[in-house]
Amino acid sequence: GQQVMQIPQYQHVQEGEDFTTYCNSSTTLSNIQWYKQRPGGHPVFLIQLVKSGEVKKQKRLTFQFGEAKKNSSLHITATQTTDVGTYFCAGPTGRRALTFGSGTRLQVQP
Amino acid sequence: DTEVTQTPKHLVMGMTNKKSLKCEQHMGHRAMYWYKQKAKKPPELMFVYSYEKLSINESVPSRFSPECPNSSLLNLHLHALQPEDSALYLCASSRTQGTSGYEQYFGPGTRLTVT
Repeated sequence: GQQVMQIPQYQHVQEGEDFTTYCNSSTTLSNIQWYKQRPGGHPVFLIQLVKSGEVKKQKRLTFQFGEAKKNSSLHITATQTTDVGTYFCAGPTGRRALTFGSGTRLQVQP
Repeated sequence: DTEVTQTPKHLVMGMTNKKSLKCEQHMGHRAMYWYKQKAKKPPELMFVYSYEKLSINESVPSRFSPECPNSSLLNLHLHALQPEDSALYLCASSRTQGTSGYEQYFGPGTRLTVT
């Protein structure tokens, strides 16, 4: 079945440093979504990418969808303590549901 | 209103108990989902309802029984659970279920402990 992997599993950065998480799918995706889950919270939708090579920005967050639509990345510039949480990518399966990636847990040291 | 509500927030139940989890949304969404999430793991899809009909059952054991009484409500009936079923149970909704990839709105979850 479809697998969606993310690396790294965990990253600890100093506040102000940049952070990137990478998402790789075993199959081509029609779109990819990103979610953030704060500690003790629930996943919250961040963005959806649809087009090959698409790049979208939300303030300090930059999302990219690969040319082959099998990989994606999320880059955070100048991390803040409010960025702490687990970031999941998610892609649609053939049965019209989402498969969540394994997640990257970000810890930011003040 | 972009909120999905879930009750109860926490639930402790014995292996012989019967309990139900409830989920509600008033966004007019026609797809609703149950996920199970273990600590430090991604949400795992359990069930999908589309237009109040069960669309996907991810081979979930029969001790979990979903129900969608109407387009706003989703229940998960629990019976004879095992300790390994302890987890965070998340409800989500989206405009429809489809490959066009509508964003999912998650509720705060029910933290279930089976003793």
